[in-house]
Amino acid sequence: EDQVTQSPEALRLQEGESSSLNCSYTVSGLRGLFWYRQDPGKGPEFLFTLYSAGEEKEKERLKATLTKKESFLHITAPKPEDSATYLCAVQAVLHGGSQGNLIFGKGTKLSVKP
Amino acid sequence: KAGVTQTPRYLIKTRGQQVTLSCSPISGHRSVSWYQQTPGQGLQFLFEYFSETQRNKGNFPGRFSGRQFSNSRSEMNVSTLELGDSALYLCASSSGNSPLHFGNGTRLTVT
Repeated sequence: EDQVTQSPEALRLQEGESSSLNCSYTVSGLRGLFWYRQDPGKGPEFLFTLYSAGEEKEKERLKATLTKKESFLHITAPKPEDSATYLCAVQAVLHGGSQGNLIFGKGTKLSVKP
Repeated sequence: KAGVTQTPRYLIKTRGQQVTLSCSPISGHRSVSWYQQTPGQGLQFLFEYFSETQRNKGNFPGRFSGRQFSNSRSEMNVSTLELGDSALYLCASSSGNSPLHFGNGTRLTVT
């Protein structure tokens, strides 16, 4: 069964204190791994898509990496405005090459204190 | 470019009633997906529509249904509401191989 596990559930950082969020996954055939950010009362906002092991993507203070079993979201020198829940999701390749739906982890709630 | 629009933003219903939620995708996006988000289960896939046809379906009871119109707008319906249906219902649209773009959801409370 395709599955996504995120850790930790919650993370508190001081402003400027770098850290990483983990996303472990099992999927029959990976089409893509996605990172989203969700603020309270809003829908998830797309951050990155990673397709193959070894791939990395960067955006401002965020960097996402991918291995065959997990992905990391590295946050460098975070600011209070980075506080949000970060969601990881995988999409499988189905029989016939069609793409499956996104399977989400339960997220990591990040709080960055000034 | 306007994002995904969901209406209404909030709904309060009573057990046994039915409810219809609406979603307008990003212009040009033909695929619309629906997800249920709860604190305990996180985001769970309900169904996906493409060109007015249901292309994929999650593991939810038949009380949950949806449809898509020729202009790609979509609705989902929940009949015979139960307390456990209280959740944030999220709609997302995509085009080709683009990632899902989500709306801000409809918060449904069942009393």
